[in-house]
Amino acid sequence: DGGITQSPKYLFRKEGQNVTLSCEQNLNHDAMYWYRQDPGQGLRLIYYSQIVNDFQKGDIAEGYSVSREKKESFPLTVTSAQKNPTAFYLCASALGPPDTQYFGPGTRLTVL
Amino acid sequence: AQSVTQPDIHITVSEGASLELRCNYSYGATPYLFWYVQSPGQGLQLLLKYFSGDTLVQGIKGFEAEFKRSQSSFNLRKPSVHWSDAAEYFCAVGAGALIFGKGTTLSVSS
Repeated sequence: DGGITQSPKYLFRKEGQNVTLSCEQNLNHDAMYWYRQDPGQGLRLIYYSQIVNDFQKGDIAEGYSVSREKKESFPLTVTSAQKNPTAFYLCASALGPPDTQYFGPGTRLTVL
Repeated sequence: AQSVTQPDIHITVSEGASLELRCNYSYGATPYLFWYVQSPGQGLQLLLKYFSGDTLVQGIKGFEAEFKRSQSSFNLRKPSVHWSDAAEYFCAVGAGALIFGKGTTLSVSS
């Protein structure tokens, strides 16, 4: 089946730790995106990548980092510099702008 | 500034009644517009999109939306709501990275 997978579904982090969220797609999409969702805030863009080995910061990139070494994968690292990381994280992919973005099931990150 | 406004945070509709969810946008270029739906704890599912052409677009699950350039609006409608439509609905605009509204939560009463 084609689609977008995110893992883990739930993630718990202690303060001061870095954690990495996985996002994989087998749709042969060039573009991939990371969004953060907080209750009542909609989705906000963290990072996006339109091609392998290239990515751009979104509106709330501080405290996050990404890599795009393979077309299929776009992992997001939440660093200890992110002061309030508890949120629902959604990954999406698209053939390329302005095409439709398809979303993964999300990862819920909780800081203990 | 580019933005999307969904004026209604929460709407309750009786099952079988009609539904309209409002969306207004501010965008400097040609707007590519989307409506997504999200069930609790899940990812987003595309309901419909507008890129160009006919300003009334049909989507999945019986939803439709009308693009009105003069009003900078892209309202979502459904003639008869089902209990399974209860969810959170997001309007978005963009070509590439999307700008999302804050969402409207739909409750359906019996």
